[in-house]
Amino acid sequence: DTGVSQNPRHKITKRGQNVTFRCDPISEHNRLYWYRQTLGQGPEFLTYFQNEAQLEKSRLLSDRFSAERPKGSFSTLEIQRTEQGDSAMYLCASSLDRSRGPSNQPQHFGDGTRLSIL
Amino acid sequence: DAKTTQPPSMDCAEGRAANLPCNHSTISGNEYVYWYRQIHSQGPQYIIHGLKNNETNEMASLIITEDRKSSTLILPHATLRDTAVYYCIFISNFGNEKLTFGTGTRLTIIP
Repeated sequence: DTGVSQNPRHKITKRGQNVTFRCDPISEHNRLYWYRQTLGQGPEFLTYFQNEAQLEKSRLLSDRFSAERPKGSFSTLEIQRTEQGDSAMYLCASSLDRSRGPSNQPQHFGDGTRLSIL
Repeated sequence: DAKTTQPPSMDCAEGRAANLPCNHSTISGNEYVYWYRQIHSQGPQYIIHGLKNNETNEMASLIITEDRKSSTLILPHATLRDTAVYYCIFISNFGNEKLTFGTGTRLTIIP
């Protein structure tokens, strides 16, 4: 399967701890997105990368959150000093940008990392 | 933010066609209509997208009204595995194409 891969699938941690999630996009996809989804709601955009450059960050992404994509391939999302409100599903998606294929390339999602803060 | 209106829930009998409506009255000329679905405990799955013409693929058909203010996703022969939350989204052909999800339609296929 060459889809978007996210690890771990589940993470349980105590409040105040740091956590890091990893996303491996579909190979050759140069765009990578992070979303967050809470119970009963649709996913909300957090940030996105084009290659290694982080081009946009949502206001939802507080200073405790940092995302990287050092070589333009996999990405990590770190949350420092976790809080109860950080409990959510964290989703990663990838796509080609328009310059590398037909216009409007759909985003393809992984199955997410479910974070639970105790 | 791009706004769509969908019914919160629908039921459909197994084997019948499921027709899921979406209103997007504020859509502009360069914005595409996308449909995704999300099965419990999985990430959203891309289904289909279109600009102004009707589209069909192996999963579904998309019917867009002539004024583009609404669309219907059609699953021609619904199966139990089609039970999911279905999201209608419109995004510009320009920019970063970040997706703005609403709360979608929870479709339940009845055996």
